[in-house]
Amino acid sequence: NAGVTQTPKFQVLKTGQSMTLQCAQDMNHEYMSWYRQDPGMGLRLIHYSVGAGITDQGEVPNGYNVSRSTTEDFPLRLLSAAPSQTSVYFCASRAGTGVGEKLFFGSGTQLSVL
Amino acid sequence: RKEVEQDPGPFNVPEGATVAFNCTYSNSASQSFFWYRQDCRKEPKLLMSVYSSGNEDGRFTAQLNRASQYISLLIRDSKLSDSATYLCVVNRLDTGRRALTFGSGTRLQVQP
Repeated sequence: NAGVTQTPKFQVLKTGQSMTLQCAQDMNHEYMSWYRQDPGMGLRLIHYSVGAGITDQGEVPNGYNVSRSTTEDFPLRLLSAAPSQTSVYFCASRAGTGVGEKLFFGSGTQLSVL
Repeated sequence: RKEVEQDPGPFNVPEGATVAFNCTYSNSASQSFFWYRQDCRKEPKLLMSVYSSGNEDGRFTAQLNRASQYISLLIRDSKLSDSATYLCVVNRLDTGRRALTFGSGTRLQVQP
């Protein structure tokens, strides 16, 4: 029972490099999202998707792109990495609504941009 | 002012103690509330939803006070395994979209 699979676990980039964080879920959830977590701050929403072919910006979308070609996959692309993007990234899918809502998170990616 | 505020702690308590955390939220349009648990260097996991009338799950009790705009989490008979960061999460409608806002978390350290 894989749930949400996120890769890689660790990544070091140089400023200006690009990369893609992969996220896949096997629970047939329509809603998927990407968060970043920085020390002393709550998780902040980068982008989200409510279904295949539909994406929208969250709270901190600048410097990131997403696409959703299938229900299962929701990759996050860093176009030109900057030191300010050093963070821990979590992918999540969602089940339920209202008080029954539940987020399922991937295991996270620790990204360092030098 | 942050939309969701939590005391970062750490709360250092002995095994068997009762400990309570509060979380305040600023948007009165907030509709649903949750507590997530996050272990060190791990992903957050849902601990419990918070119902309007309050709810209990074993040693954990969650309360909601809409008038004062805060939710609380009470942990009875603390175990070493309860050591973690507890995230308060608030869901509201924002210009027609549902938006989840996370607090920065309260760290609990249960000591033998």
